[in-house]
Amino acid sequence: AQTVTQSQPEMSVQEAETVTLSCTYDTSESDYYLFWYKQPPSRQMILVIRQEAYKQQNATENRFSVNFQKAAKSFSLKISDSQLGDAAMYFCAYLKAAGNKLTFGGGTRVLVKP
Amino acid sequence: EAGVAQSPRYKIIEKRQSVAFWCNPISGHATLYWYQQILGQGPKLLIQFQNNGVVDDSQLPKDRFSAERLKGVDSTLKIQPAKLEDSAVYLCASSPRPQGFGNTIYFGEGSWLTVV
Repeated sequence: AQTVTQSQPEMSVQEAETVTLSCTYDTSESDYYLFWYKQPPSRQMILVIRQEAYKQQNATENRFSVNFQKAAKSFSLKISDSQLGDAAMYFCAYLKAAGNKLTFGGGTRVLVKP
Repeated sequence: EAGVAQSPRYKIIEKRQSVAFWCNPISGHATLYWYQQILGQGPKLLIQFQNNGVVDDSQLPKDRFSAERLKGVDSTLKIQPAKLEDSAVYLCASSPRPQGFGNTIYFGEGSWLTVV
């Protein structure tokens, strides 16, 4: 079974600075998708960024970018120019290409200090 | 475009009572999911519907949980009788096609359940 591990329960960052969240996963599949979701206190899961495993180029979305290392099974999220609104729980998630079950990590809480 | 709608947002019940949660997915989305998120954990899939058929309910505690999606649109998740460990946020989500095609899955704001 696939597992997703987020080793950092909480990360703190100064406003306008950069923070990197770690995620590792375990799979025997070669074709899959990886996601980062943001969950504010309202508890709604909001998609931040997605990465297709067959793409070597790292995905970027404005201030959010990933470092996808397929061989190492690592998928980190970098938040640049952090804003107060970035404060939330962040979840890494895995989906195999032929599957239907999105597997989530345990989450990392991001605190942004003004 | 309207998002995934869920109700009620909050519910407090005593153990052994029953509760029902309702979800209306994004218009046109064929696939609907119910996830359970216990405090401090990531969401866990309970059941997935494709139109009005069940695709995966392997992690649904069928002795107390039931779900239906009549007419392939909105869905109801029921818990009867509730246990203390059922306290969680129940997230409904939808996607245009099965997640296996790598579609983005859209989540509602969740229904918070506290069992006392």
